[in-house]
Amino acid sequence: HVQLVQSGAEVKKPGSSVKLSCKASGDTFSSFGFSWVRQAPGQGLEWMGGIIPIFGAPIYAQKFQGRVAITADESTTTAYMELSSLRPDDTAIYFCARSPANHVSFCLGYWGQGTLVTVSS
Amino acid sequence: EIVLTQSPGTLSLSPGERVTLSCRASQSVSSSYLAWYQQKPGHAPRLLIYGTSTRAAGVPDRFTGSGSGTDFTLTISRLEPEDFAGYYCQQYETSPTFGGGTKVEIK
Repeated sequence: HVQLVQSGAEVKKPGSSVKLSCKASGDTFSSFGFSWVRQAPGQGLEWMGGIIPIFGAPIYAQKFQGRVAITADESTTTAYMELSSLRPDDTAIYFCARSPANHVSFCLGYWGQGTLVTVSS
Repeated sequence: EIVLTQSPGTLSLSPGERVTLSCRASQSVSSSYLAWYQQKPGHAPRLLIYGTSTRAAGVPDRFTGSGSGTDFTLTISRLEPEDFAGYYCQQYETSPTFGGGTKVEIK
């Protein structure tokens, strides 16, 4: 049974950074794609970036290049996303998601519960 | 970046009706890399369809995905009360992107 458990809600000041975690259980970690997707209040889904641990290097959406860093720790089966230079419009729910079984891709078959990040002075 | 445009933005329908949702890509997408998701308020999205037409585990057969190139559709043959939700397409061939979503609401 695949589970993704995300870290708790965060409140941050503009200009600061936030680092979120996503603990995966229930399956082999390295052979799947892990993505981070965000959703601002009342808005749609936005893919930020992802990593496939066996391949190593993450890829990022152009919009977030230079401001986001996604890593994966195979020893703890945990994926991380750090977003820097936070602005009020970064206020959103941040989801981690994993590819389905037998998929080495950024299709999103399993989702975490989401983490609310609020950016406010 | 591949831009996905979903239409319409909102649909008002009754249970039992058939609905077809559209997703148009700014450039050709391999049919192997097009997915659809359902999202209900306060919940994470749920994968419905991947590879354009393959249902994810546990998805009822009233959901059907089709299309190729730049035009893709999700059809719900007969709306059930639990199907009133938001729907998003996603391409994951290159730097993944989502469409803006279609909300299916009760008329």
